[in-house]
Amino acid sequence: EAQVTQNPRYLITVTGKKLTVTCSQNMNHEYMSWYRQDPGLGLRQIYYSMNVEVTDKGDVPEGYKVSRKEKRNFPLILESPSPNQTSLYFCASSFLGDQPQHFGDGTRLSIL
Amino acid sequence: DQQVKQNSPSLSVQEGRISILNCDYTNSMFDYFLWYKKYPAEGPTFLISISSIKDKNEDGRFTVFLNKSAKHLSLHIVPSQPGDSAVYFCAASGRGGSNYKLTFGKGTLLTVNP
Repeated sequence: EAQVTQNPRYLITVTGKKLTVTCSQNMNHEYMSWYRQDPGLGLRQIYYSMNVEVTDKGDVPEGYKVSRKEKRNFPLILESPSPNQTSLYFCASSFLGDQPQHFGDGTRLSIL
Repeated sequence: DQQVKQNSPSLSVQEGRISILNCDYTNSMFDYFLWYKKYPAEGPTFLISISSIKDKNEDGRFTVFLNKSAKHLSLHIVPSQPGDSAVYFCAASGRGGSNYKLTFGKGTLLTVNP
């Protein structure tokens, strides 16, 4: 089954404790991206990657890091999480061009 | 600066009737538009898209209309079914850049009553 898989689905942690949210897709997509969804703000892009070893900032990159060492994986790293990063996070992937992005089921992070 | 706007936070329709969800955009560089459906505790699911070279695209019960001069698109669902009850997001992207970023509206909650 074609899918984008995120882990964990839920996480409660404390300020400053490094965490990684993994994202993996099995569709051989070149493009991958991370979004966060906040009440009243919709989904906003954090980082994206056009292909392996190619990443760039989206609209709200502060406090986040990403890496793309393999085509299928695109982890989101919070080196020193803060409460304002409490949010619902979605990973997405697609082929390049006018192709719809496919989303994972989301990761709800709570930073205390 | 909200580049994609869904001005109706919610919409309620009767089963079997037409649902019309609206979306406006301000960025003239957008040329690819999508609708996503989202159920609670799930990620957005792609529904239908339209390129700026078209003004209509149909897929079963779903039709998207694009009016470029008005910078407006709409999603028609006919007939509406209770299983269509979800949050619908309009999204847009621009061609030719190095980023296929989707810019989303804030969503419209559709409730289809039996």
